[in-house]
Amino acid sequence: QKEVEQDPGPLSVPEGAIVSLNCTYSNSAFQYFMWYRQYSRKGPELLMYTYSSGNKEDGRFTAQVDKSSKYISLFIRDSQPSDSATYLCAMSSVAGGTSYGKLTFGQGTILTVHP
Amino acid sequence: SQTIHQWPATLVQPVGSPLSLECTVEGTSNPNLYWYRQAAGRGLQLLFYSVGIGQISSEVPQNLSASRPQDRQFILSSKKLLLSDSGFYLCAWRGLAVRAEQYFGPGTRLTVT
Repeated sequence: QKEVEQDPGPLSVPEGAIVSLNCTYSNSAFQYFMWYRQYSRKGPELLMYTYSSGNKEDGRFTAQVDKSSKYISLFIRDSQPSDSATYLCAMSSVAGGTSYGKLTFGQGTILTVHP
Repeated sequence: SQTIHQWPATLVQPVGSPLSLECTVEGTSNPNLYWYRQAAGRGLQLLFYSVGIGQISSEVPQNLSASRPQDRQFILSSKKLLLSDSGFYLCAWRGLAVRAEQYFGPGTRLTVT
């Protein structure tokens, strides 16, 4: 079993739809959670960063963490064609200092928002 | 603000040739540095990480090596490329603040023919 499971999709939605992207994990030590967006042939860019459980909102994006269920989600409201990309979840159990800071990534979900 | 550069952007090399990919970070000191490889349609595979000059750790045994000759410079090398070395190579950095996120460069697309 992989430490982090992410539905690879592809996911195709019409413009304006609400998109839900999800990851499940097995390591209960994870407490830092990230979502990255990666456009084709580009490096991943950090979209959302959350610590421990709860919700975080940034514009049209909401990141949700449920540590009791070992489940994280990214919601995109009013999706736009420019949101078409691969979305990667990532998580870590440590942060800061000179620690290794390993991130464990999901396989990525390919999202297409069509006009 | 911090910026991360990678070059070259694309590279086509024959099997058995050497490789040198470079990554530099601006606007931060003593970052942790990482090399990843991303095969088509797959997730990110961590290859090497470095917590300081001359300090390199390898995640998986393979045909590649890494070096960190300066604080903000990270180099990925190979003496003889294999077909299986083809992929998208990404460099990333992380600061020393109490946060876990890494920031990625634009990547180098390597095709071994």
